[in-house]
Amino acid sequence: DTAVSQTPKYLVTQMGNDKSIKCEQNLGHDTMYWYKQDSKKFLKIMFSYNNKELIINETVPNRFSPKSPDKAHLNLHINSLELGDSAVYFCASSQRISGGRSYNEQFFGPGTRLTVL
Amino acid sequence: SQKIEQNSEALNIQEGKTATLTCNYTNYSPAYLQWYRQDPGRGPVFLLLIRENEKEKRKERLKVTFDTTLKQSLFHITASQPADSATYLCALERLRSSASKIIFGSGTRLSIRP
Repeated sequence: DTAVSQTPKYLVTQMGNDKSIKCEQNLGHDTMYWYKQDSKKFLKIMFSYNNKELIINETVPNRFSPKSPDKAHLNLHINSLELGDSAVYFCASSQRISGGRSYNEQFFGPGTRLTVL
Repeated sequence: SQKIEQNSEALNIQEGKTATLTCNYTNYSPAYLQWYRQDPGRGPVFLLLIRENEKEKRKERLKVTFDTTLKQSLFHITASQPADSATYLCALERLRSSASKIIFGSGTRLSIRP
């Protein structure tokens, strides 16, 4: 069974469109994340949710809006897509507190390659 | 702000040799440091974690060291194999609060030639 899954795997769209990426984890983790990996492979955090509450919101355009309907799901909606949004977007999850300690080992999904034309 | 540098963008070594990858950070010392492996078209996969009070950690052919004085972590793969070819990312986190975040380096692409 897939631990962290994302859909779609590939997304090709025109500039100005609105699109969503979905993420689900079946690990029972309490924290979920969205990362963006650019063409230079630099992986940068965008958002983090802990028990459905937004705890990290990096300097990301407000065209990006995460939504966490429950602990196991974190979706990313992007409005008015721009050329510079083209990248691979990774969802991840972690159990921030385990046995009284926080290690924050990240479990990543397979990624969604977004191409904006 | 905290910066991480993996000082080799690419590393090419002969099979059987030990691969050594470097991760340097500036400013504050992290609570722990992690190493991940990423294959093309896939998400990163966690390999090892080392805490600030640990000097060394081993897992099979992998070894990680952590020197808080030098602000450096070294990642070693002994008896390297072509299957070890991948991009390796280091990541660190400073605080233990739920609002802290992991910062990733840009990775080192390791190629093991037969």
